[in-house]
Amino acid sequence: GQNIDQPTEMTATEGAIVQINCTYQTSGFNGLFWYQQHAGEAPTFLSYNVLDGLEEKGRFSSFLSRSKGYSYLLLKELQMKDSASYLCAVRDRDYQLIWGAGTKLIIKP
Amino acid sequence: DGGITQSPKYLFRKEGQNVTLSCEQNLNHDAMYWYRQDPGQGLRLIYYSQIVNDFQKGDIAEGYSVSREKKESFPLTVTSAQKNPTAFYLCASSTGRGQGYEKLFFGSGTQLSVL
Repeated sequence: GQNIDQPTEMTATEGAIVQINCTYQTSGFNGLFWYQQHAGEAPTFLSYNVLDGLEEKGRFSSFLSRSKGYSYLLLKELQMKDSASYLCAVRDRDYQLIWGAGTKLIIKP
Repeated sequence: DGGITQSPKYLFRKEGQNVTLSCEQNLNHDAMYWYRQDPGQGLRLIYYSQIVNDFQKGDIAEGYSVSREKKESFPLTVTSAQKNPTAFYLCASSTGRGQGYEKLFFGSGTQLSVL
C-alpha cells in the first residue's frame, strides 16, 4: 500500500529552528507538497519538490531525497503564528495525491 | 479576490437526514475535489471532477453524492447511508491540467456533526 509518515506532534521555541520530517512509500513519484493548516482553517500551499535538493523560500525550506523516500520542511526564526499543522503529500504515478496525517507544531514563547 | 467559499462553517445532521455542503470557486479552475479530514488521518478523497457534468469517485465515495452542473460549483451531499459522517470536510480546486506541480486551493472547510 501507499504510505506517508510524519511525526504526530512537535514542540519548538519562538525564534528557534525546527525540522519536520516526512517519509513516503508510494507507487511512483511525481512530486511532494507541503501545506500549512491552522486549526479549523483551509490548508495553504507552502512548497513543491520534484527534484532532489533544497528549495528555500524565506523562512521556510523544503528538502527532498527521492532515493530515500524522504523530505523535510525546515522552519527558521519561528514565530507564534507558525503554530499549525503541516501536511506532507506525494503525487503518485497516476497523479493522485497521497496525504500524510500531518504534524502539529506547537510554538512556545 | 479569487478563492473558494464553503458553507456552512458548521452543520448538524439528524439521523436519516441528507445534508448538502456548498462549495463555490471563482478561480476559473476546471478541477474540483472533496476531501474528508479526520483526526490523526491524512486527507481522504471523496469525489473529484475535472470538467463540468463529469465526476469520479475517490477512495471513500460510499454514502456521498456530488454534482457538477456549473464550473464554479461542486456541492457534496452526505446521505443517510453514510453511517459515520462526523468529520471536517474540505473542498479544493486546481487548474486541472494534470501536471505534477499542480497545487490545490482549499476552502475553509465545513465541520459536520451528528445530533
